[in-house]
Amino acid sequence: GQNIDQPTEMTATEGAIVQINCTYQTSGFNGLFWYQQHAGEAPTFLSYNVLDGLEEKGRFSSFLSRSKGYSYLLLKELQMKDSASYLCAVNPSGTGFQKLVFGTGTRLLVSP
Amino acid sequence: DSGVTQTPKHLITATGQRVTLRCSPRSGDLSVYWYQQSLDQGLQFLIQYYNGEERAKGNILERFSAQQFPDLHSELNLSSLELGDSALYFCASSVVPSTSGVQETQYFGPGTRLLVL
Repeated sequence: GQNIDQPTEMTATEGAIVQINCTYQTSGFNGLFWYQQHAGEAPTFLSYNVLDGLEEKGRFSSFLSRSKGYSYLLLKELQMKDSASYLCAVNPSGTGFQKLVFGTGTRLLVSP
Repeated sequence: DSGVTQTPKHLITATGQRVTLRCSPRSGDLSVYWYQQSLDQGLQFLIQYYNGEERAKGNILERFSAQQFPDLHSELNLSSLELGDSALYFCASSVVPSTSGVQETQYFGPGTRLLVL
């Protein structure tokens, strides 16, 4: 089976740094995605990792360790608008066709 | 705005009924994906189409079916609706499903909120 685990909720303060962890156990691995989803809205793409290491994109960075089945999303200089759910998704398909498996998401609340 | 459009935005219907959800992918995208998101579950992949052909199937119920038309828009048909089918249904699109190992980012539409009473 496919299993992706993320914390259900996290809280942080405006201006701080927060790290959202994701662990996965899937039948295969062909990349890991992070999406942001505000309540009732569409998920929007944040980052993609397929090789081990850190990918940085502005205030957001994502890290992957394939041997540990582990990723994290790092959000710096938090803003109120960062309050949202953050979804970790893995493509376990070996063919390249994307059958993304999503975690249930981590709801982040940023307070003043 | 991702460029993916979905209609209707909201749909309220009764158990046993049938509904059709519509999705138009971003201009130039050949691949369409359908997802279901319930309150207690994450996004669940249902089915993928590429240029009119079914390419991948997830945990899609037999009561559900989809197709992609020559103009690349897609429809998801849900029949014999049950209370548990109430959910947000998202469509996503990407340029092509990669066979070279290079991933294609999926861009999501605003979703259709289905309520079955």
